[in-house]
Amino acid sequence: GAVVSQHPSRVICKSGTSVKIECRSLDFQATTMFWYRQFPKKSLMLMATSNEGSKATYEQGVEKDKFLINHASLTLSTLTVTSAHPEDSSFYICSARDRDRELRAFFGQGTRLTVV
Amino acid sequence: RKEVEQDPGPFNVPEGATVAFNCTYSNSASQSFFWYRQDCRKEPKLLMSVYSSGNEDGRFTAQLNRASQYISLLIRDSKLSDSATYLCVVGGTSYGKLTFGQGTILTVHP
Repeated sequence: GAVVSQHPSRVICKSGTSVKIECRSLDFQATTMFWYRQFPKKSLMLMATSNEGSKATYEQGVEKDKFLINHASLTLSTLTVTSAHPEDSSFYICSARDRDRELRAFFGQGTRLTVV
Repeated sequence: RKEVEQDPGPFNVPEGATVAFNCTYSNSASQSFFWYRQDCRKEPKLLMSVYSSGNEDGRFTAQLNRASQYISLLIRDSKLSDSATYLCVVGGTSYGKLTFGQGTILTVHP
């Protein structure tokens, strides 16, 4: 079964609204989670590293005020896409690495965001 | 130079064929290596970790050459269900971020 759960799996929103995506590690504690974005037929692009109890680390070119990350507990990280625009439409995936399982990264099911 | 580079393919092979994917990485300090598989519109799933000594899991064999910074995946006796995108993934220490190659598309046909 899933060890990382992501919700919602699909969301359609209007331009200008904000969308929150949740990522939960179900059977292990994740002090660090990762948020990726994937465009059609492209690989995963790391957006940011979410650190429990501290600020997220954003990759170059990713706007931190646009993509708000909160990692309030050892099992939950959230990504909020603020004032969404059509160009934010994409597949967003979170992951967490489990040190008890050879640091394997487990992925959430992904969230397909469509901004209209 | 990309941090992790793969031949994007696509590879189109008949059932039963043997196919090999290659991957190179630029950071010599990388410490963990994986092959992930991603089906269309789904999240990536771990296929196998890659160890320095090489490792095998059924029809799949992975090899790592640290000196050349090169990783490979060999699939023997391809099945239709092997059709997917295969992602070469390289990680740093501890909880360090993972870097993904652009993926290699494999299509196995009857």
